[in-house]
Amino acid sequence: KQEVTQIPAALSVPEGENLVLNCSFTDSAIYNLQWFRQDPGKGLTSLLLIQSSQREQTSGRLNASLDKSSGRSTLYIAASQPGDSATYLCAVFTSGTYKYIFGTGTRLKVLA
Amino acid sequence: DAGITQSPRYKITETGRQVTLMCHQTWSHSYMFWYRQDLGHGLRLIYYSAAADITDKGEVPDGYVVSRSKTENFPLTLESATRSQTSVYFCASKFRLAGDSYEQYFGPGTRLTVT
Repeated sequence: KQEVTQIPAALSVPEGENLVLNCSFTDSAIYNLQWFRQDPGKGLTSLLLIQSSQREQTSGRLNASLDKSSGRSTLYIAASQPGDSATYLCAVFTSGTYKYIFGTGTRLKVLA
Repeated sequence: DAGITQSPRYKITETGRQVTLMCHQTWSHSYMFWYRQDLGHGLRLIYYSAAADITDKGEVPDGYVVSRSKTENFPLTLESATRSQTSVYFCASKFRLAGDSYEQYFGPGTRLTVT
C-alpha cells in the first residue's frame, strides 16, 4: 500500500531564503508525482507534475525533482517571498491504481 | 468559466438531513473524484468515477452516495448527515497527459458543517 510522507509538517523561514520541501513515498512504481499549493480556506492549485520518466520540472522559482528508486521528491523554492506562504502537498499516482495518494502537507510561512 | 466548479461553497445543515454537494467540470475529463479534507487526516478519497454511469468506492465511502449520469456532473449526497461528516469537500478530475500519466485538477471546495 502506497504511503506518502512530507517532512517537515511546518516550516518558517525569513524572506529571501531558498528552501526545500521533502516528499517520500513507499512504492516506487509510480506513473507521476504532482506538487500542489493550498492557501487557507482554498482549493488545491497544481504547481508541478513530474512524470515517472522525468527527473525534474521547473516553473519560475520552483523546481521539483524526482528520484523514483529512493522514493523521494523535493520541491525547491528559490528566493522565498511572503506570498509563498501556504501549505504544499505532494501526491503520487501509483501504477495499477486509479487514484492519487496525498501526503499530509508542509505548512510554509515566509516571514517579511 | 473553464474548470471545476462546486456548489454550494458553504453549507450548514442539521444532523439527519440529506445534503447534496454539486460538482461540474467543463473539460469532459473521464475521471472525477470526491475527497474530504480534515485536520490530521489530509485528503481522503470518498468516491470516484471512471466515466458516466461508472462509480466506485474510495477509502471512506460510508454515509455517502454518488451518481454520474453525465460526464460533466458528479454530485455527492450525504443521505443522513452526521457531525462526523463536517469537513471540507473537494471535487477533482483527472486528465490524461501521455501513456499512464495523469494530472489532477481540483475544485474550490465546499465547507460543510453539520450541527
